[in-house]
Amino acid sequence: QKEVEQNSGPLSVPEGAIASLNCTYSDRGSQSFFWYRQYSGKSPELIMSIYSNGDKEDGRFTAQLNKASQYVSLLIRDSQPSDSATYLCALKNQGGKLIFGQGTELSVKP
Amino acid sequence: GAGVSQSPSNKVTEKGKDVELRCDPISGHTALYWYRQSLGQGLEFLIYFQGNSAPDKSGLPSDRFSAERTGGSVSTLTIQRTQQEDSAVYLCASSFKQGSLNQPQHFGDGTRLSIL
Repeated sequence: QKEVEQNSGPLSVPEGAIASLNCTYSDRGSQSFFWYRQYSGKSPELIMSIYSNGDKEDGRFTAQLNKASQYVSLLIRDSQPSDSATYLCALKNQGGKLIFGQGTELSVKP
Repeated sequence: GAGVSQSPSNKVTEKGKDVELRCDPISGHTALYWYRQSLGQGLEFLIYFQGNSAPDKSGLPSDRFSAERTGGSVSTLTIQRTQQEDSAVYLCASSFKQGSLNQPQHFGDGTRLSIL
């Protein structure tokens, strides 16, 4: 089992809709979780971090963490074509190493 | 500089040659990481450095790969006797103290390595 799993997509949503990106993980001791956005040909860019169960909102982005079920998600409200990118879920495991998922490709259609 | 700086941005070399990739982390960041990303794939962890501690080399794919970090700042990733499967984007990231679990990493723009 991979430490961090994401659906590769592509996930296609219409402009203005809510995009929902999901991630599951295997290491119950993981404490820190991150969402990165990566545009084609560019390096990953941190957009959200979350450490406690529940929701964390930042503008159009909401990260959700459920440690009991071992999943973390990212919601993007009012999706824009400029949100089209690959979204990488990452966590720091008990050893302190940052582990990335394979990424989910999001396409927002005008 | 304000961000993580990597050089060269692109490198094309022949199979069997050695290559060196450089990373200059954000000033004050004590943790430095190297990742590899093949086309359409996720990030593959290679190695990380934390201060003066021994590096975690658990992600290095073979003994052709090595890395060093001089003076706790600049790092060099060396690939000896390159193979075509080494072709990828090599990303460097840095963060504050590794032991602080909630410190995110900041990435450089990467070096795109192509082995002919």
